[in-house]
Amino acid sequence: EAGVAQSPRYKIIEKRQSVAFWCNPISGHATLYWYQQILGQGPKLLIQFQNNGVVDDSQLPKDRFSAERLKGVDSTLKIQPAKLEDSAVYLCASSSMGHANTEAFFGQGTRLTVV
Amino acid sequence: AQKVTQAQTEISVVEKEDVTLDCVYETRDTTYYLFWYKQPPSGELVFLIRRNSFDEQNEISGRYSWNFQKSTSSFNFTITASQVVDSAVYFCALSEEKNAGKSTFGDGTTLTVKP
Repeated sequence: EAGVAQSPRYKIIEKRQSVAFWCNPISGHATLYWYQQILGQGPKLLIQFQNNGVVDDSQLPKDRFSAERLKGVDSTLKIQPAKLEDSAVYLCASSSMGHANTEAFFGQGTRLTVV
Repeated sequence: AQKVTQAQTEISVVEKEDVTLDCVYETRDTTYYLFWYKQPPSGELVFLIRRNSFDEQNEISGRYSWNFQKSTSSFNFTITASQVVDSAVYFCALSEEKNAGKSTFGDGTTLTVKP
């Protein structure tokens, strides 16, 4: 079974530029998550999708971050404009159901450096 | 609000030593789930175990064991006879039933096992 795929693996941009990350979840998984992991910290949930609908985006900085999940499969996360404090690893994860007792499967992440 | 504390930032042991990683959580929900994930250098978080709030039985899986104590709000993880391949960052996470699918992660413990 293929895992969660993310691209690119690494990205370096200047502040105020825009960037987009892509995620392809495990086939058949209805729930997709985007997490931000700052160096030395645990992952922090940015947004959760159930199929192509948003379940939780309470911690997404909506003035600069946006995400979509067209057709309930792949997802993209965009940052525009980027700030220095956005430097982090962006992890995509998926689960078969968005229940509290369901474990998530993670991709390898995209390491973003904003200079 | 849910919170997870992993007080040990870094632990270093020599191969074959036993090591315990501590996890303390806070929640007001009566139904919740606790998880441990491993994050190797490749970046993706790998699910290790899940425990629900009504099951305080300890669990053993090979060299891994988990001790869940509701009285102290702790869910500790022990690796017996550690190996170099156990070197990774380990995260404890909490999901409340009422916040379906939304996990709160601790800041992780970096375990280094030296040969």
